[in-house]
Amino acid sequence: GAVVSQHPSRVICKSGTSVKIECRSLDFQATTMFWYRQFPKQSLMLMATSNEGSKATYEQGVEKDKFLINHASLTLSTLTVTSAHPEDSSFYICSASLQGGGTIYFGEGSWLTVV
Amino acid sequence: GENVEQHPSTLSVQEGDSAVIKCTYSDSASNYFPWYKQELGKRPQLIIDIRSNVGEKKDQRIAVTLNKTAKHFSLHITETQPEDSAVYFCAASKAAGTASKLTFGTGTRLQVTL
Repeated sequence: GAVVSQHPSRVICKSGTSVKIECRSLDFQATTMFWYRQFPKQSLMLMATSNEGSKATYEQGVEKDKFLINHASLTLSTLTVTSAHPEDSSFYICSASLQGGGTIYFGEGSWLTVV
Repeated sequence: GENVEQHPSTLSVQEGDSAVIKCTYSDSASNYFPWYKQELGKRPQLIIDIRSNVGEKKDQRIAVTLNKTAKHFSLHITETQPEDSAVYFCAASKAAGTASKLTFGTGTRLQVTL
């Protein structure tokens, strides 16, 4: 079946630095991917919609200059957390679906800890 | 935008009993309603889903019902087992072709006790 892979699975960074998380669709092309954030014991909240070849669409309250999204190919979207702060520590997870809709596939998720 | 409410937030049942989790949604245009099981630190796993053109769907011990008029849908797990213990999320989406962004409920922590 379709697989979405995320990397890294865990990352620790210092406050003020930037971190990049990759989301890949391994055996299908995804013109659209989604990035979610999940704080401990909370639900998944949509951050942004990543569109191949165009700008990402951000949800209300999500800073586009802080969470940079690049979707340069049909199989890769990246999320860069810039100038990370401890409050950005969270579980970040991406999703994609096959063309024509249908099942939504999630990446494994990435645990970000900012110290 | 869409708003999904989920109840209860925690649910404890004895092994073999049934568990029911309920969700309501606000956007009448939503037409796809998946349920996910998430274990700590892992990605959500789809356990069952339903589209707005049906009222009920069943897969072995798991069933989902949808009431479009009332805008609510429910997850039913029968003959619960300890391995059913996890956090369950409902979600809603206006799946219209290529891409589906999901609005998640707040989650239900299910504990199945021996």
